[in-house]
Amino acid sequence: AQSVTQLDSHVSVSEGTPVLLRCNYSSSYSPSLFWYVQHPNKGLQLLLKYTSAATLVKGINGFEAEFKKSETSFHLTKPSAHMSDAAEYFCVVSEYNFNKFYFGSGTKLNVKP
Amino acid sequence: DAEITQSPRHKITETGRQVTLACHQTWNHNNMFWYRQDLGHGLRLIHYSYGVQDTNKGEVSDGYSVSRSNTEDLPLTLESAASSQTSVYFCASSERRDTQYFGPGTRLTVL
Repeated sequence: AQSVTQLDSHVSVSEGTPVLLRCNYSSSYSPSLFWYVQHPNKGLQLLLKYTSAATLVKGINGFEAEFKKSETSFHLTKPSAHMSDAAEYFCVVSEYNFNKFYFGSGTKLNVKP
Repeated sequence: DAEITQSPRHKITETGRQVTLACHQTWNHNNMFWYRQDLGHGLRLIHYSYGVQDTNKGEVSDGYSVSRSNTEDLPLTLESAASSQTSVYFCASSERRDTQYFGPGTRLTVL
């Protein structure tokens, strides 16, 4: 069965320090992987996506993620956190030939001044 | 610009009433989805559609129904609203397994 595990429900960092949000997935076929961000009381916005091209994917607002097939991981990183990055982040997987999407449970990022 | 809209944005209703939440997209996507978001549960799939006249149940479909009469719209109906259906509802659309685009959400309160 397909599944997505976000390893941390909450992450807290100081402004200016690196961000790491972890995501592991299980998939029988070649997956597409996405990271979405949701700011409080807002909808979900796409940060970046992996669809079998380059394994290092760059997204908006300085975020990037690396697809590691051997580790079944797709961790989200940013070199330097900004206060505006405080939000909830969702890792999502979809599979080849399937039009369904599987969501992780989300990671809430807190950025301290 | 293409977009996906939901209406109403906020709704308060009473237990037992029928409620319909609208979702309209101008992406011309075949796939449309309805999710609910609750604290501690993330997003859970209610129903989805791969095209006109196609509808499928998701993991939490009990008490909900959808119909797809055209490409642009996928209304979600709560047949008899229950307090357990108080939630934030998100509609999304996509083309095959590519990026999902989400609406702004509808906050539903069932009293």
